[in-house]
Amino acid sequence: DAGVIQSPRHEVTEMGQEVTLRCKPISGHNSLFWYRQTMMRGLELLIYFNNNVPIDDSGMPEDRFSAKMPNASFSTLKIQPSEPRDSAVYFCASSKTSRSGELFFGEGSRLTVL
Amino acid sequence: AQSVAQPEDQVNVAEGNPLTVKCTYSVSGNPYLFWYVQYPNRGLQFLLKYITGDNLVKGSYGFEAEFNKSQTSFHLKKPSALVSDSALYFCAAFREYGGSQGNLIFGKGTKLSVKP
Repeated sequence: DAGVIQSPRHEVTEMGQEVTLRCKPISGHNSLFWYRQTMMRGLELLIYFNNNVPIDDSGMPEDRFSAKMPNASFSTLKIQPSEPRDSAVYFCASSKTSRSGELFFGEGSRLTVL
Repeated sequence: AQSVAQPEDQVNVAEGNPLTVKCTYSVSGNPYLFWYVQYPNRGLQFLLKYITGDNLVKGSYGFEAEFNKSQTSFHLKKPSALVSDSALYFCAAFREYGGSQGNLIFGKGTKLSVKP
């Protein structure tokens, strides 16, 4: 099993630019989560999909952030326009069911906004 | 509000000594509790979980956790620490929305440092 695959692993961009982070969940998993990790705020849930449908997006910081899951094998998290305070490690995770609690995390995308 | 607390930012242990990483929770209903570990520059990895049954749960890498309902705690333990156990440890609780939907609430994490 390839695990959860995220790209890019590292992204450095300038303030105002659009950033797109990508995630391929484990095949057969029907729940997908986007988290953000910073030293100050720890691990924050941004959005959670079940069967490709967004269930809880209350953690999305503001309208600059958007997430999509067009099919069971792909999700994107987009930031437009990006700001320095968006600098963080963004993790995608998937689980077999919405009640599993056993999440499989990707290696993360480290975003630096200058 | 449902929450998970890890009162220690860092725990320092000598190799070979027992270790404990503390966690307390506040959730409605029966708690489903988890421990995850994060090594540097990696994603989180599942260690163990408590759903129901025996209060002592065994997990990966020799770790175990003790569920205590009266103290609302779920402390992570290991009888003999290894240098390779040094990592960031997260406690989590399952938060249910209803309709079989839910997600995990994570604590802030505890950095475990095991010295030779």
